[in-house]
This record gives sequence, structure tokens and C-alpha cells, in this order.
Amino acid sequence: NAGVTQTPKFQVLKTGQSMTLQCAQDMNHNSMYWYRQDPGMGLRLIYYSASEGTTDKGEVPNGYNVSRLNKREFSLRLESAAPSQTSVYFCASSQREGASSGYTFGSGTRLTVV
Amino acid sequence: GQQLNQSPQSMFIQEGEDVSMNCTSSSIFNTWLWYKQDPGEGPVLLIALYKAGELTSNGRLTAQFGITRKDSFLNISASIPSDVGIYFCAALNYGGSQGNLIFGKGTKLSVKP
Repeated sequence: NAGVTQTPKFQVLKTGQSMTLQCAQDMNHNSMYWYRQDPGMGLRLIYYSASEGTTDKGEVPNGYNVSRLNKREFSLRLESAAPSQTSVYFCASSQREGASSGYTFGSGTRLTVV
Repeated sequence: GQQLNQSPQSMFIQEGEDVSMNCTSSSIFNTWLWYKQDPGEGPVLLIALYKAGELTSNGRLTAQFGITRKDSFLNISASIPSDVGIYFCAALNYGGSQGNLIFGKGTKLSVKP
């Protein structure tokens, strides 16, 4: 089925370890986003890529880096994981930045940092 | 920055009851969206609203774009157990600095059979 695919679905890291969360979309969308979801905090934007070749910081970028590998793929990297980064991470895509048709979300990566 | 205040935070209702939730802001928006997140899944778009005063339905769901463009409402009629989940409002301002969607913090709905 067409959509946004995130891997892995679950991950446990030790403090200080690094990892990359992968995201791919097959809808030929131009813009892609990374959000984190914490209880009672809603969805907070970490980084976004308005189009291939560009990336920008969102509301909570500290401790993360991103790479827009090509039009389909947008990865999120934690260089040195901290317990405060325990969260559910969602990747999303849209036709263009600020698309009024909304975003399509992946099913999430549940990350625990111990 | 721009913020969406979504209420209530959570609701516990009996199957068959109607549900109302809303989202307000001090800022004006051009688009309001409502998403539902099932447990363990990502949010899915339910309804999109593009004009002030617009009233749109999707099955048992009805949403309205407030006349002032600063708020939106979602109603669910005759709730059923599969309505359980978190409902998010989201808004977009074409003139915003990022041009990205802003999300409310969600309303968690529990339905008792």
C-alpha cells in the first residue's frame, strides 16, 4: 500500500549510543517531516525538509540531525542518545510545504533510551 | 509562537453518546484539519476545512471552521468502541514563517461499551 514507511518499529538504546531512524514515502511528495510525540505534549516538529536538498529545524531540533537522502527518503539520527529522547517518533510527508491537504504519517518508531 | 488550545484533554463516555471537542487559538488560520490516532498507529486525516464558517461531515463526524478563523470544532455522533483514540486538531497559516501545520495536544477519547 502507498504511504509512509518507518523502520524500525521499536528500539531500545543505551545512553550514549547512536542510531538512525529511517523513513521512506512512495507518494512522490516533496516535503517530509519528523515529529516526536510525548504524553500530554502532542506532536512536536523536530526537523523538516521542504524539498529535496533542503532541511530546516523545527520546534525541538537539539540532539538530532537529519538527512534528505533523495526525494523518497528522510532519515533522523541521534548521535548520542539520552533518556530525554525516549519518545514515539513519527515521519510524515506532504505534497509541498504547508500543504492544505494535510500530512500523511507513518506508523511510528517507539524508542526507549535507558 | 502560534499555539492551538485543544479541549478537553480526555473524555470517558458511554457507547452511543455524542462527543464534542474544540480547538482555539489567538491566531487566525486559513485551514483547519482534524486527525485521529488509533492506539499504536500514526495520525490519520479525518476532515479538512478551508473556509470560515464551513461545516463538513464524514460519516458520524462533523467539523466546523469557526467564523473568526481562530477556532474549530469536531463532533462525533452515536459513539462506538472503535472511536477510541486520540483526536488532534491542526491548523495552517499560509503566511506563517514555516508554512507548516501546527498541532493541538490532542483529546484522548475512551468509549465504554
